[in-house]
Amino acid sequence: DVQVLESGGGFVQPGGSLRLSCAASGFTFSTYAINWVRQAPGKGLEWVSGISGSGGSTSYADSVKGRFTISRDNSKNTLYLQMNSLRAEDTATYYCAKDGCSGGTCYYTDWGQGTLVTVSS
Amino acid sequence: DIQMTQSPPTLSASVGETVTITCRASQSISSWLAWYQQKPGKAPNLLIYKASSLESGVPSRFSGSGSGTEFTLTISSLQPDDFATYYCQQYNSYSTFGQGTKVEIK
Repeated sequence: DVQVLESGGGFVQPGGSLRLSCAASGFTFSTYAINWVRQAPGKGLEWVSGISGSGGSTSYADSVKGRFTISRDNSKNTLYLQMNSLRAEDTATYYCAKDGCSGGTCYYTDWGQGTLVTVSS
Repeated sequence: DIQMTQSPPTLSASVGETVTITCRASQSISSWLAWYQQKPGKAPNLLIYKASSLESGVPSRFSGSGSGTEFTLTISSLQPDDFATYYCQQYNSYSTFGQGTKVEIK
């Protein structure tokens, strides 16, 4: 079975940094793009960032471009999101979501349980 | 950027009813549209991809249709387990979600 498990969330002050991790298993990790999707409390879903299977291609929502960096270590089957210059509006549950396709932009077949990031003074 | 507009924001219905949720794209996305169900405190769950393809394991009472800019999700004979929030997602260009439709018990 496919499993993705996020970690690294927590409480951080505005302007601070945090690194999220997503450990995956049950599939050939390097074959699939993986994404970060967030959900602010009581709000809808927002795609944040995605990375190709090889790690050679990345993309970001305008709201996080220049502040967040997505990366992956295919030898460890792990995805990361480095979040810098955090703002109150970044407060959300962050989900790791695996693409259902092996190429191009795609829908998401497998999601983690999410990790909560709270940005507050 | 492609914007996705879902309607209605909230829908009240009874068990056994058929309900329809609409999602409109700000430009053509061909059939690159997915639908998800989300229950409180849980991650979203994929229902439909490529506008009308049913994900494995999803009950056949869920169906999707549309192409271009207008899409619908239909739930036939609503079951107690179906009361949840539903989101559309375009994946033609990056990814954008609709605002969500909450299906409540009437």
